[in-house]
Amino acid sequence: EAQVTQNPRYLITVTGKKLTVTCSQNMNHEYMSWYRQDPGLGLRQIYYSMNVEVTDKGDVPEGYKVSRKEKRNFPLILESPSPNQTSLYFCASSLSGPDTQYFGPGTRLTVL
Amino acid sequence: GNSVTQMEGPVTLSEEAFLTINCTYTATGYPSLFWYVQYPGEGLQLLLKATKADDKGSNKGFEATYRKETTSFHLEKGSVQVSDSAVYFCALSDRSNDMRFGAGTRLTVKP
Repeated sequence: EAQVTQNPRYLITVTGKKLTVTCSQNMNHEYMSWYRQDPGLGLRQIYYSMNVEVTDKGDVPEGYKVSRKEKRNFPLILESPSPNQTSLYFCASSLSGPDTQYFGPGTRLTVL
Repeated sequence: GNSVTQMEGPVTLSEEAFLTINCTYTATGYPSLFWYVQYPGEGLQLLLKATKADDKGSNKGFEATYRKETTSFHLEKGSVQVSDSAVYFCALSDRSNDMRFGAGTRLTVKP
């Protein structure tokens, strides 16, 4: 089954404790992206990647890192999480470019 | 920079009512336009898209027409069902390869 998977689905952590949210797709897509969803703000793009080893900042990249060492994986790293990063995070992928994107189920992160 | 503005919700309709959700955009050049839908507890799914002026995207009874002269991409459905209850997002992308979403409009359809 074609899908985008994210782990964990729920995470509660404390300020400053490094964490990684994994994202994997099995559709051989070149384009992958991370978004955060906050009430009243919709989805805002954090980082995106056009292909392996190519990443670019989106609208709200501060406090986040990403890497794209393999085509299928695009982990989101929070080196020192803060409470304002409490949000619902979505990973998405598409064949090439931000066209028809397939979204993962979301990761709800709470930073205390 | 690029941006998308959607009508604020929530929108509550009775079953079989006509639906319009307004979306306008600001962009340089000729962006692609999308409507995504998010059902409760799920990720977003593409509902329809249009890639050039005057294109009409359609799917599951929903339609939207790319109007460059009014920079709009309004979502319409002639007769909504309870199962259409969801949050709807208008979005655009352009050659810069980033993606901009509107704030989302929550639709509730009552039997």
